[in-house]
Amino acid sequence: AQSVTQLGSHVSVSEGALVLLRCNYSSSVPPYLFWYVQYPNQGLQLLLKYTSAATLVKGINGFEAEFKKSETSFHLTKPSAHMSDAAEYFCAVSDTGGGNKLTFGTGTQLKVEL
Amino acid sequence: EPEVTQTPSHQVTQMGQEVILRCVPISNHLYFYWYRQILGQKVEFLVSFYNNEISEKSEIFDDQFSVERPDGSNFTLKIRSTKLEDSAMYFCASSDPGSSYEQYFGPGTRLTVT
Repeated sequence: AQSVTQLGSHVSVSEGALVLLRCNYSSSVPPYLFWYVQYPNQGLQLLLKYTSAATLVKGINGFEAEFKKSETSFHLTKPSAHMSDAAEYFCAVSDTGGGNKLTFGTGTQLKVEL
Repeated sequence: EPEVTQTPSHQVTQMGQEVILRCVPISNHLYFYWYRQILGQKVEFLVSFYNNEISEKSEIFDDQFSVERPDGSNFTLKIRSTKLEDSAMYFCASSDPGSSYEQYFGPGTRLTVT
């Protein structure tokens, strides 16, 4: 069975500071990995995905994530936080192949302070 | 940009009543999903649907739940006899055959069972 662990249910950064949201996965097969963002009262928006191509993945809004197989990690980073980044972020894993379910982590609430 | 839509945005029902949640997936997508998020908890997979049949379902998706694609555009989730613990945000998602691991989510339906 696949699983995702997100360390830190709440992360607070200053505007302009580095954002680092941690995600570790467990999978018996090579995984696909995703980061989704959820703004208040909205659905889930895909930020970026890893699908066994480049290990450093760039997404929308300046976010990127690096797949590290040796560490079973897929941490999300952004060099400089903006107030508009305040949201909840979910890491998710799926089996390779089409149409497979996503297994989500518990989410990390990002707060950006002036 | 194409998007997944869901209706209603908020549904209040009494325990024991039947509810139908509706979704219109992106038009060329062939894989459809339902997920739910109980308040304060992580997003959980319920069911996936492909080629007019269920392709995978979770333990949550018991006999009280059913899904249907009644026409070429809608995808519905029915809960036959709602329980208090069914109160949650329900998300519909869809993916296309050429990029079937990338799921696009709707804004969700908040179901409140009283």
